[in-house]
Amino acid sequence: EVQLVESGGDLVQPGGSLRLSCAASGFTLSAYWMTWVRQAPGKGLEFVANIKKDGTYKVYVDSVKGRFTISRDNAQNLLFLQMNSLRVEDTGVYYCARDVTYAVDSWGQGTLVSVST
Amino acid sequence: EVVLTQSPGTLSLSPGERATLSCRASQSVGSNFVAWYQHKPGQAPRLLMYGTSKRATGIPDRFSGSGSGTDFTLTISRLEPEDFAVYYCQYYGQRFGPGTKVEVK
Repeated sequence: EVQLVESGGDLVQPGGSLRLSCAASGFTLSAYWMTWVRQAPGKGLEFVANIKKDGTYKVYVDSVKGRFTISRDNAQNLLFLQMNSLRVEDTGVYYCARDVTYAVDSWGQGTLVSVST
Repeated sequence: EVVLTQSPGTLSLSPGERATLSCRASQSVGSNFVAWYQHKPGQAPRLLMYGTSKRATGIPDRFSGSGSGTDFTLTISRLEPEDFAVYYCQYYGQRFGPGTKVEVK
């Protein structure tokens, strides 16, 4: 069974940093692109970033470019999202997800990031 | 860049009724690139359709997808109680539409 378990969400002040992790099991992580998606309170789903199977290519939504970094450790079955210079508008639930061809077929339960004074 | 719009914003229907959800792209896109998701509060989103019309694993056949070019449709033939949720279309595995809420009338 495919499982994705996010961790690392927390309350942080504007300008602060967080590192989210996603532990993958039930499949071979190195065989899939992976994605982070977020949902702000009361809003819809928003693509944040994705990363190629071997970590050599990454795509970011414009609003996080230069502040967030997606990375992976295939040997440890882990996906990461390093978030720096956090803003209030980054608040939300962050989901780790597995890519298939032009879609996302498996999702974690999400981890909550709150950016507030 | 492709922008997705979804209509209506909210659809009020009764169980057993047919639901038709629209997703429009700002420019013509390949049908391989359109997916649909169901999202309920407090749960992870669920992939329903990919490549416009292919049902994901375990998705019942009351869900169907169609469309081409700029106009895509998700149809739920007969609403079951568990189908009341928010539905999102997605382009290229990245950009999402704003969602359509299907609520109980």
